[in-house]
Amino acid sequence: QVQLVESGGGLVKPGGSLRLSCAASGFTFNDYYMSWIRQTPGKGLEWISYISTGGGVTYYADSVKGRFTISRAKDSLYLQMNSLRVEDTAVYYCARVSSSWSCRWGQGTLVTVSS
Amino acid sequence: QSALTQPPSASGSPGQSVTISCTGTSSDVGTYNFVSWYQQHPGKAPKLIIYEVDKRPSGVPDRFSGSKSGNTASLTVSGLQADDETDYYCSSYAGSNTVVFGGGTKLTVL
Repeated sequence: QVQLVESGGGLVKPGGSLRLSCAASGFTFNDYYMSWIRQTPGKGLEWISYISTGGGVTYYADSVKGRFTISRAKDSLYLQMNSLRVEDTAVYYCARVSSSWSCRWGQGTLVTVSS
Repeated sequence: QSALTQPPSASGSPGQSVTISCTGTSSDVGTYNFVSWYQQHPGKAPKLIIYEVDKRPSGVPDRFSGSKSGNTASLTVSGLQADDETDYYCSSYAGSNTVVFGGGTKLTVL
């Protein structure tokens, strides 16, 4: 079955960096677009980054553009997060994106940005 | 402020039906038949229950159904059960490799 397991979350100070990882199994990773989605109590769900099957097309929400970088390698998805802000505090989900733009989600990893 | 508008809450008695709306614009829900619905229990990841407006993934009971009219999509939960009491989110493709989400609806089974 489809499994997506995120890791790398934690507590970081404003201005700091974190790298999130997502290990994928149970499907042919290279056949799917992948995305990072975050969830906060205040702003709800936010589609923050997307990468195409070959990695040649990426998308970033304005809120993270220039600070976050999405990448993929064999059966893994990554999100490099730099210049973190308090408002980046959220649960970050890795998601497999289907051709119908529906998602299968991992269990999430909590990122807390606080001094 | 979420891009898609959902009512914050909905409720119904066991066995009844309840419908949750999801209102977007002509740039998302109104143009694309790529509306999805997710069920999220506390502390858990969202689970896909409807995709492409009205399709159910394998394993999702047929008590869950979806529809769309104009810029508004709807999720109907029939034969309400206690375990249906949780949060529901809609999403829609919005072009340019982006997806927008609703703010979520908390469903209460009375």
